Amino acid sequence: GAVVSQHPSRVICKSGTSVKIECRSLDFQATTMFWYRQFPKQSLMLMATSNEGSKATYEQGVEKDKFLINHASLTLSTLTVTSAHPEDSSFYICSARADYTDTQYFGPGTRLTVL
Amino acid sequence: AQTVTQSQPEMSVQEAETVTLSCTYDTSESDYYLFWYKQPPSRQMILVIRQEAYKQQNATENRFSVNFQKAAKSFSLKISDSQLGDAAMYFCAYSLSYNTDKLIFGTGTRLQVFP
Repeated sequence: GAVVSQHPSRVICKSGTSVKIECRSLDFQATTMFWYRQFPKQSLMLMATSNEGSKATYEQGVEKDKFLINHASLTLSTLTVTSAHPEDSSFYICSARADYTDTQYFGPGTRLTVL
Repeated sequence: AQTVTQSQPEMSVQEAETVTLSCTYDTSESDYYLFWYKQPPSRQMILVIRQEAYKQQNATENRFSVNFQKAAKSFSLKISDSQLGDAAMYFCAYSLSYNTDKLIFGTGTRLQVFP
């Protein structure tokens, strides 16, 4: 089956620092990847859609200068949280849509804690 | 705008019994996809079942089946012969078309399974 990995699984950082999260499709190519954010006991909210070789499309209310997304290859997308603050603490989940299907496969998520 | 509503924050079922989780959605589109995702305590999102709106036949996957009522915009999930491993958060999700650009999630239903 289609497998998506995320790294790191957990990260703790100081306020003001930047954190990069990687999302990889391990056994398929993904032209499109998605980044979601999930607060405790809440649903997933789409932050942005990442397309290989082009700029990401951000959802309304998501600061593109704060959440930098790079989709440099068909198997890798990165999310960088710049100048992180405690309110950015959350669970970040990526998903990838395999080019041969219309189903999204999710990564295991990254828990970000900003002190 | 499309919305997805799950009116049952929590449900419980006894092992081996059947439970139905409800989901309604709002859209003006005629062609779309509907999904049920499971999120166990590990937080890994797992696709349970999907339904194409143009198909009248309800999707089934082993013990999981849906009751898709397009006119009523209803998409319920039935879990038969419930197992302890079915305990999780279940999210109903909507996607507009084959070229999936985003998943819109409901707020989720927490399912508890009692022995």
